[in-house]
Amino acid sequence: DAGITQSPRHKVTETGTPVTLRCHQTENHRYMYWYRQDPGHGLRLIHYSYGVKDTDKGEVSDGYSVSRSKTEDFLLTLESATSSQTSVYFCAISESRMPRGKETQYFGPGTRLLVL
Amino acid sequence: GENVEQHPSTLSVQEGDSAVIKCTYSDSASNYFPWYKQELGKRPQLIIDIRSNVGEKKDQRIAVTLNKTAKHFSLHITETQPEDSAVYFCAASAPGGGYNKLIFGAGTRLAVHP
Repeated sequence: DAGITQSPRHKVTETGTPVTLRCHQTENHRYMYWYRQDPGHGLRLIHYSYGVKDTDKGEVSDGYSVSRSKTEDFLLTLESATSSQTSVYFCAISESRMPRGKETQYFGPGTRLLVL
Repeated sequence: GENVEQHPSTLSVQEGDSAVIKCTYSDSASNYFPWYKQELGKRPQLIIDIRSNVGEKKDQRIAVTLNKTAKHFSLHITETQPEDSAVYFCAASAPGGGYNKLIFGAGTRLAVHP
């Protein structure tokens, strides 16, 4: 597995509270991504980063914000958690160097979030 | 934007049989198509990928075929084994912006029975 860790691995929180998930990589990869995984929906992109301080929205970004102040860390924040944000969150990384290319993404172990 | 549909949603086979999972995509500019395997409680793991300049790619018991004209690609697993049981996801690159987002299918749950 690529050197990707996520913390926490499990979290239970209450509606309305802020939550921050952390993705940490030791691969020095340029690109980082946050996905959520829900039954019947596969993996849906929340936000992604193409460099330090460079981020953009994915297909399900409402209610989420991100920050990347260092190459190795990509933070996902739920400003005010809702029950609809109960999900499994995966971080992924990719790099532009061939032969694999920047499209090839490697996933972290995931974080299970339950919002009560 | 890109949309990826994956079929079937569940697939049950006997050990030793072949399994085929199919995906269609909507954006003809997509040029990268990976397949991921996810075991229960684990992270998705890349098992094979193909680029649009190639029609077929094999790696031991798995192969992927791509039909650009029809905009579909398929995963073929031969001589299935119980350890192949997992959820499989296809994906297609979403062109534009240069940041290579992936759009995933909804997944296929494969069960291989001994």
